[in-house]
Amino acid sequence: DAGVIQSPRHEVTEMGQEVTLRCKPISGHNSLFWYRQTMMRGLELLIYFNNNVPIDDSGMPEDRFSAKMPNASFSTLKIQPSEPRDSAVYFCASSSSLRDRVYGNTIYFGEGSWLTVV
Amino acid sequence: GDSVTQMEGPVTLSEEAFLTINCTYTATGYPSLFWYVQYPGEGLQLLLKATKADDKGSNKGFEATYRKETTSFHLEKGSVQVSDSAVYFCALSGGDLFSGGYNKLIFGAGTRLAVHP
Repeated sequence: DAGVIQSPRHEVTEMGQEVTLRCKPISGHNSLFWYRQTMMRGLELLIYFNNNVPIDDSGMPEDRFSAKMPNASFSTLKIQPSEPRDSAVYFCASSSSLRDRVYGNTIYFGEGSWLTVV
Repeated sequence: GDSVTQMEGPVTLSEEAFLTINCTYTATGYPSLFWYVQYPGEGLQLLLKATKADDKGSNKGFEATYRKETTSFHLEKGSVQVSDSAVYFCALSGGDLFSGGYNKLIFGAGTRLAVHP
């Protein structure tokens, strides 16, 4: 079974440009998470969705960031306009929420999108 | 709110040495506890987990026991290898089953392990 698939794996862009990161969760999973990883702040949860609905976006740093989940098999994280301080690794992750509330949560991560804004 | 505290790294060991990485947590309710591993240039992989007090998670020679009385979930391995060099993250989820807060993971800061031949 394919894992969480993210694209692009690497992106280098100029400050001010729009960046769109994409994620395909594991089939059958109904929870989706976007995390950001930096040396300074470690792993931060940006937003998570359950059944395609955003549940908690309190980790989204500012209005330049937006995330959508138009259907169960696709999500995007968009940064517009991008800034150098957005340089980080962005991870998408998914899990099955209902069963895991009882048996314990296993969240599966993609390989990350490595973003550099110059 | 819920939180996880890990020992700071880096941890540097010789091959075949004993490994302990400490992890303590703060949570309301009854969280599940996890260890994830991140190899260089890769995403996070689940290493092991425990869902209730006194459970022991184990995988690839690594073990961790869920200790509710000390709110700890320390990672151990009896004999490390060079290939174990990575960053290890302790995490919790679902501390409060009644809050409606779904199964988001809260991570510790990570501990880098370097194993030398």
